[in-house]
Amino acid sequence: QVQLQESGPGLVKPSETLSLTCTVSGYSISSGYYWGWIRQPPGKGLEWIGSIYHSGSTYYNPSLKSRVTISVDTSKNQFSLKLSSVTAADTAVYYCARRRWSYIDYWGQGTLVTVSS
Amino acid sequence: DIQLTQSPSFLSASVGDRVTITCRASQGISSYLAWYQQKPGKAPKLLIYAASTLQSGVPSRFSGSGSGTEFTLTISSLQPEDFATYYCQQLNSYPPALTFGGGTKVEIK
Repeated sequence: QVQLQESGPGLVKPSETLSLTCTVSGYSISSGYYWGWIRQPPGKGLEWIGSIYHSGSTYYNPSLKSRVTISVDTSKNQFSLKLSSVTAADTAVYYCARRRWSYIDYWGQGTLVTVSS
Repeated sequence: DIQLTQSPSFLSASVGDRVTITCRASQGISSYLAWYQQKPGKAPKLLIYAASTLQSGVPSRFSGSGSGTEFTLTISSLQPEDFATYYCQQLNSYPPALTFGGGTKVEIK
């Protein structure tokens, strides 16, 4: 059974960089598929942030592209998200997920990241 | 960019009701349309992909249909565990971004 678990700080100061890691178990990232991040502001809808293939090729949401970096560490079976210059608008539950190109079949449980001084 | 509009945004229904949720695209899209169910405090759960393919383990009372610009999710007989928020999602051509609809909250009448 594929499982994903997000980890990282739950509180980030404005203008700083949000950093999260997703640890995958039950499946080797090196075996394929895309891996990515989605977020959901409190009480609002879902927003795709970006995806990465095990080879390192990435696709980002154009609205966030200038601030987002997604990377992968196949030796640890992990992938990571960095979002720079955060503001209160970046406060959200962040989900990591496995993407089967056109849809997402496995999700992490989500982690709330609050941007506040 | 292609936008997805779900209707209704809120739905009140009773157990046993047949429920239909619509997802309209701002322009024609392929059949790369998926549906998810989300319960409070939980991650979304995949129900349908490729517009009409039921994800393994999902009850057969859920079905999806549609093509072009209009897609529907139907729950044939609403069960207590189906009260949740439902999202549609499509794949843009390039960049291959995923776009979600605004959601439909299904509540108990």
